[in-house]
Amino acid sequence: DIQLTQSPSFLSASVGDRLTITCRASQGISSYLAWYQQKPGKAPKPLIYAASTLQSGVPSRFSGSGSGTEFTLTISSLQPEDFATYYCQQLNSYPFTFGPGTKVDVK
Amino acid sequence: EVQLLESGGNLVQPGGSLRLSCAASGFSFGSYAMTWVRQAPGKGLEWVSAISGSGTSTYYAASVKGRFTISRDNSKNTLYLQMNSLRAEDTAVYYCAKSPTIAVAGVTDFWGQGTLVTVSS
Repeated sequence: DIQLTQSPSFLSASVGDRLTITCRASQGISSYLAWYQQKPGKAPKPLIYAASTLQSGVPSRFSGSGSGTEFTLTISSLQPEDFATYYCQQLNSYPFTFGPGTKVDVK
Repeated sequence: EVQLLESGGNLVQPGGSLRLSCAASGFSFGSYAMTWVRQAPGKGLEWVSAISGSGTSTYYAASVKGRFTISRDNSKNTLYLQMNSLRAEDTAVYYCAKSPTIAVAGVTDFWGQGTLVTVSS
């Protein structure tokens, strides 16, 4: 199975900050990567697929990049509603494993 | 408007069985693959199973293979997850999710709100 790691695990930030979260795969997965946002008690919300394509309705302050084994999720200017946990997921082969998550909280 | 409504979660004893349902509306159900993902209390997301739009192709995580069965009834717009031989480690919120493709490709674009399964004596 393909393993995903995320860094950092926790991130304290302020509104307006630029944030970058990294996801690394245990083997090359081309651009087959998705990102999700999850708030407490809520279902995950798909943000990005194919490493860099925004899902419909996702604000443009979110962006994704990378290919192969290293990927990043960037939030250009953190908004109050962006404090959440972010997960990456590989879509290269099943089982379609998730990363362990990165929790973004208020500094 | 796309809607996914999971049901069937409950408290069940170890070794017991449970069937989860996911009622879909707002889209052509049979045209899209569907996925189950679970989340143990306070833990991360775990991909569980997926099924193609026609229902002919199914996939499972190793942790549930042989115990869980995914199926769908496209005439009822409903996805199912039959869970047998349940273990304490199956305790989780189970989410159903819609894919934007008819074949299973991992990607999802809409999730339901989840149903809680608790396995305990």
